Amino acid sequence: ETGVTQTPRHLVMGMTNKKSLKCEQHLGHNAMYWYKQSAKKPLELMFVYNFKEQTENNSVPSRFSPECPNSSHLFLHLHTLQPEDSALYLCASSPGSGANVLTFGAGSRLTVL
Amino acid sequence: RKEVEQDPGPFNVPEGATVAFNCTYSNSASQSFFWYRQDCRKEPKLLMSVYSSGNEDGRFTAQLNRASQYISLLIRDSKLSDSATYLCVVNQGSARQLTFGSGTQLTVLP
Repeated sequence: ETGVTQTPRHLVMGMTNKKSLKCEQHLGHNAMYWYKQSAKKPLELMFVYNFKEQTENNSVPSRFSPECPNSSHLFLHLHTLQPEDSALYLCASSPGSGANVLTFGAGSRLTVL
Repeated sequence: RKEVEQDPGPFNVPEGATVAFNCTYSNSASQSFFWYRQDCRKEPKLLMSVYSSGNEDGRFTAQLNRASQYISLLIRDSKLSDSATYLCVVNQGSARQLTFGSGTQLTVLP
């Protein structure tokens, strides 16, 4: 596989469920990101990891818990979400956190009931 | 004031038309500028960078006016395949400081 791969592509969960989103990049990049995209709103940066160390947490509620075991993999663990958390969650990578250009995955569309 | 502001559209234009999108940004310290394209239900992809002197890539021309904090994208001879949402993106120094606009939706009609 090439590029940035996200699974699952679609997820429906109740507010009491626990689920995880997975992202894998095959580009040899060192920085990985989670973004949230809600309808008609700009992309919102959630987390940044550089060489698997978290370098940015953009005031994200603790019901979202990221994990980066290595530079190629990034997870977003979800628990006790709210309906307003329904959105497209996009993973991205770049050569380093100082890079200008991001390569995005296709996204995981989350619906919270 | 939004950090990066775009006209949301939608812009509906016939094939072959010329269409221009505008974007303004609020932070005068912004250093790099980009246009990304996002197809319906797909991820954003880099379309082109925007350089101070203006730059062209085929039918696409990007311009930057630092004094007015304004970026533009011009599409000439539009194709059906140009239908997408165009995102204005401003970088204040590193990728973690990328700020996205809400996007301008373009539909090219046959």
